[in-house]
Amino acid sequence: QSALTQPASVSGSPGQSVTISCTGTSEDVGKFHFVSWYQQHPGKVPKLIIFDLNSRPLGVSDRFSGSKSGNTASLTISDLQIDDEADYFCCSFVSSGLGVFGGGTRVTVL
Amino acid sequence: QITLKESGPTLVKPTQTLTLTCTVSEFSLTENGVGVGWIRQPPGKALEWLGIIYWNDDTTYSPSLRGRLTITKDTSNNRVVLALANMDPVDTATYFCAHKRSGTYYTFDYWGQGAPVTVS
Repeated sequence: QSALTQPASVSGSPGQSVTISCTGTSEDVGKFHFVSWYQQHPGKVPKLIIFDLNSRPLGVSDRFSGSKSGNTASLTISDLQIDDEADYFCCSFVSSGLGVFGGGTRVTVL
Repeated sequence: QITLKESGPTLVKPTQTLTLTCTVSEFSLTENGVGVGWIRQPPGKALEWLGIIYWNDDTTYSPSLRGRLTITKDTSNNRVVLALANMDPVDTATYFCAHKRSGTYYTFDYWGQGAPVTVS
């Protein structure tokens, strides 16, 4: 199972919005809404920020939102803040019953 | 508050079998729908989905590890055990266990702190 494709890095200034793409296939992202996103600060444990494509766990800021078009899911971070600087990973359910992560995207706040 | 904690060796030799234990609390490994997954992350690299075990002992493994990976659970001691055979230096990574959020597919809402493992 190949990893989902994410850009290596994105950047933005405080207050701006950035969008991270996560491209899969018709057997994973394209077929299901079971896409989740995780934020990981350096040396820390991944934190769930989006599940089931566009749902947020309790306590996660509404500045984080998810969407999908075709085989590509996206995470948008609005009103970018310093603490948003981290690595972000997408994850999808696959029709074979497996799970697959993306390669990760480093978000830099300029 | 759900917690998970990994434990095991930090250094293993090539060809050995890695055994890691994930001790969980505040949820039951036998509750309908419960799943505990294993994910690893090589230094500076991406997360990799390894496998999952469910409340009914069903398991799913990544095909890239099939044949080497076994996940079991010890419900009396609230533990999930990962066994990865024939370790190789490319298996050097931090290994995480994580709780699958109820009603979802492979959404992990609680994670252990991670167990760093070096193969050398």
